[in-house]
Amino acid sequence: ETGVTQTPRHLVMGMTNKKSLKCEQHLGHNAMYWYKQSAKKPLELMFVYNFKEQTENNSVPSRFSPECPNSSHLFLHLHTLQPEDSALYLCASSQDFREFDNIQYFGAGTRLSVL
Amino acid sequence: DQQVKQNSPSLSVQEGRISILNCDYTNSMFDYFLWYKKYPAEGPTFLISISSIKDKNEDGRFTVFLNKSAKHLSLHIVPSQPGDSAVYFCAAISTHSNFGNEKLTFGTGTRLTIIP
Repeated sequence: ETGVTQTPRHLVMGMTNKKSLKCEQHLGHNAMYWYKQSAKKPLELMFVYNFKEQTENNSVPSRFSPECPNSSHLFLHLHTLQPEDSALYLCASSQDFREFDNIQYFGAGTRLSVL
Repeated sequence: DQQVKQNSPSLSVQEGRISILNCDYTNSMFDYFLWYKKYPAEGPTFLISISSIKDKNEDGRFTVFLNKSAKHLSLHIVPSQPGDSAVYFCAAISTHSNFGNEKLTFGTGTRLTIIP
């Protein structure tokens, strides 16, 4: 399998649930990203990891908790979410964000619905 | 405050004709620009990019033009094909960022429909 794979593709959860989103990249990249896409809004960068170190936390609420155990895997742990957190969550990877042309490659996303 | 704007939410073009998608930006620190294409149920895929040292970059049927003084870029697709029907996102980077080039700032996208 190649590219960036996200699981699950769809997730419905209650506000008291705890769930995790998983992302795996098979591109040999060193940087991984979580984005949120809400309806009619631009993609919002949430977290960035470069060589497993978190370099960016874009003012994301603590109910979202990222984990990057290695350069190929990225998780987003979710707990006590709100209905307004319903969105498409996209994972991306790139070779190294210090490169000039930081082309990011995206997974298909997880469509999250919070009831 | 949206720093990258795609003011046309949708665009319909006849097959074989030219599609022109527009993007405006406000941050003068942006110096590298990318276009992504997104099909339903898939993630965005990289299409073409341009550095601010250029005013044009061409790749097959796709050409991106950059007008720095107007803070405007456009993507031209010619000839348009039915498979080009997708949502197109414009994105920008400031390579002078203190931390690296991780911050892609995206527009809201334009849905292009090619009419057979």
